Amino acid sequence: SQTIHQWPATLVQPVGSPLSLECTVEGTSNPNLYWYRQAAGRGLQLLFYSVGIGQISSEVPQNLSASRPQDRQFILSSKKLLLSDSGFYLCAWRRLAGIYDSYNEQFFGPGTRLTVL
Amino acid sequence: GESVGLHLPTLSVQEGDNSIINCAYSNSASDYFIWYKQESGKGPQFIIDIRSNMDKRQGQRVTVLLNKTVKHLSLQIAATQPGDSAVYFCAENIPGSGGGADGLTFGKGTHLIIQP
Repeated sequence: SQTIHQWPATLVQPVGSPLSLECTVEGTSNPNLYWYRQAAGRGLQLLFYSVGIGQISSEVPQNLSASRPQDRQFILSSKKLLLSDSGFYLCAWRRLAGIYDSYNEQFFGPGTRLTVL
Repeated sequence: GESVGLHLPTLSVQEGDNSIINCAYSNSASDYFIWYKQESGKGPQFIIDIRSNMDKRQGQRVTVLLNKTVKHLSLQIAATQPGDSAVYFCAENIPGSGGGADGLTFGKGTHLIIQP
């Protein structure tokens, strides 16, 4: 079975400090990977996605970056955090969809609660 | 941006009653839909899905209805329990686009509150 891990679970960081959030997936290969941010009481904002190692696409220009050094590892980073970076960060994976393979769900990790002070 | 929207941000129901959560989608090409449940402080969890060639699908205490004519999706929860309190998201799959790299497009969510 497949599992997805995120760490840390919670993080409190000062403004201007760096950030590194990690996400790993087990039990599948070559997944599509996604980073979302969720502000309190709000919906899911897609930040980055990746279709393969070293391939990153950004949905929203901002203070964050992402990397995929291994097939099942996805990292979210920042060199200098802003107050507005606070939120709940979710990693997700999905099996690569083809013409006949649209009917599959996205699986979410447990999330990381980031508070920037 | 998100192309899936919800009618109500908060829905309050009495324990034991049935709940109906609605979702409007705008892309007629969407071929697959999912409802997710997100409890406080956790990641969204799959509840039920439906393909566009169906108009109804039932699970345990949950039913999803799809009306492609008006591009409307609903989630019905029977005999609502305290554990049903959560935010519910609908999501759609837009073939070949949307959500980045074949990802799902998510609605803003409805917070379901269960009154004792």
